[in-house]
Amino acid sequence: NAGVTQTPKFQVLKTGQSMTLQCAQDMNHEYMSWYRQDPGMGLRLIHYSVGAGITDQGEVPNGYNVSRSTTEDFPLRLLSAAPSQTSVYFCASSYPGNEQFFGPGTRLTVL
Amino acid sequence: GENVEQHPSTLSVQEGDSAVIKCTYSDSASNYFPWYKQELGKGPQLIIDIRSNVGEKKDQRIAVTLNKTAKHFSLHITETQPEDSAVYFCAASISGNQFYFGTGTSLTVIP
Repeated sequence: NAGVTQTPKFQVLKTGQSMTLQCAQDMNHEYMSWYRQDPGMGLRLIHYSVGAGITDQGEVPNGYNVSRSTTEDFPLRLLSAAPSQTSVYFCASSYPGNEQFFGPGTRLTVL
Repeated sequence: GENVEQHPSTLSVQEGDSAVIKCTYSDSASNYFPWYKQELGKGPQLIIDIRSNVGEKKDQRIAVTLNKTAKHFSLHITETQPEDSAVYFCAASISGNQFYFGTGTSLTVIP
């Protein structure tokens, strides 16, 4: 099993550009989520999904969109990047109520 | 929503000594409390977790205690080793659908 994979590992964007962060898992987990990690602020939940076709907002959803068309994939879209979105992004998956498995992260810089 | 506070933010101990990290939570409905270890450049990895029907859980050198009345839980690492040096995060969750993280503790074990 590859576990949770994320691409790309690093990305630099200009303000106003759009991009999609990819996340995939091969553990047949129902629950998937996206977090951002900023210095001194821990991990904050952006969006999550409890199954294919179902998504919901977390603590900091503004500026981000998600979709869940399959169990395996949960992409995160930035429609118009802003410098405030400079962060490290982590995707995670789990069975509900159980251990979350995290991907290796995507380091995003918005200039 | 849930608010998780974590202390201390940094902790230095001599090799072989014990380390204790404390977290408090605000929502009495939270019932799942995982602890994660994050090494530099990697995603968080679960090291131990506890559910609200248990007061203490131990796994070799690592233990977690939970006080539901006071709404706090703690991570105890005994006989610390240099490889324990990392950032540790606590989290709280209601039935594993949304996780709220503490701001992290950077642990340094001095050889």
